Amino acid sequence: DTEVTQTPKHLVMGMTNKKSLKCEQHMGHRAMYWYKQKAKKPPELMFVYSYEKLSINESVPSRFSPECPNSSLLNLHLHALQPEDSALYLCASSQEKRGGMNTEAFFGQGTRLTVV
Amino acid sequence: GQQVMQIPQYQHVQEGEDFTTYCNSSTTLSNIQWYKQRPGGHPVFLIQLVKSGEVKKQKRLTFQFGEAKKNSSLHITATQTTDVGTYFCAGLRRGTSYGKLTFGQGTILTVHP
Repeated sequence: DTEVTQTPKHLVMGMTNKKSLKCEQHMGHRAMYWYKQKAKKPPELMFVYSYEKLSINESVPSRFSPECPNSSLLNLHLHALQPEDSALYLCASSQEKRGGMNTEAFFGQGTRLTVV
Repeated sequence: GQQVMQIPQYQHVQEGEDFTTYCNSSTTLSNIQWYKQRPGGHPVFLIQLVKSGEVKKQKRLTFQFGEAKKNSSLHITATQTTDVGTYFCAGLRRGTSYGKLTFGQGTILTVHP
């Protein structure tokens, strides 16, 4: 199984709503990522989890709250978002090798989020 | 911060023509990866280059990593309509935390049959 599964595929939420995005992988990867991608732009790194611990937070606003309940799951909790937060949210995972060398990242299909 | 510049932003070719996209980094990279994203899809890993001057081939795709490990290119020979999509390079700056890839802006390739 070389898949990263994200749910939901589409989400429309109001600015006062609380919602969560979910990501799951069963490849035994110990590094998991959240990216944000606007149309015709590259993915922007938001968070990196390494062995279920948050290792990188790219100065993301606190209305985005990541969580890694176990080695297979990654959540992104959303609260009080703004319309400019509308984007494709991509989850990815990779093996983590000693020495810090990146390995191939497997991306999920993404959640297309619209904030109204 | 680290910049990875990618050109061109758009490329329109006739089927059968060749295509090249280039990435340049302001700093030395530990490695560089290439991804392809089809319209409406998600990035899919193509290759990783690690060594200075490295060249790798995958069928019609040729990937190069510069001697100074600051630039890279992807060349597609005889494009096909299935090559349509956005091609991203993603580099890891030497000494940067694991996982902190910086993506180039991407090149959107259109292939006319």
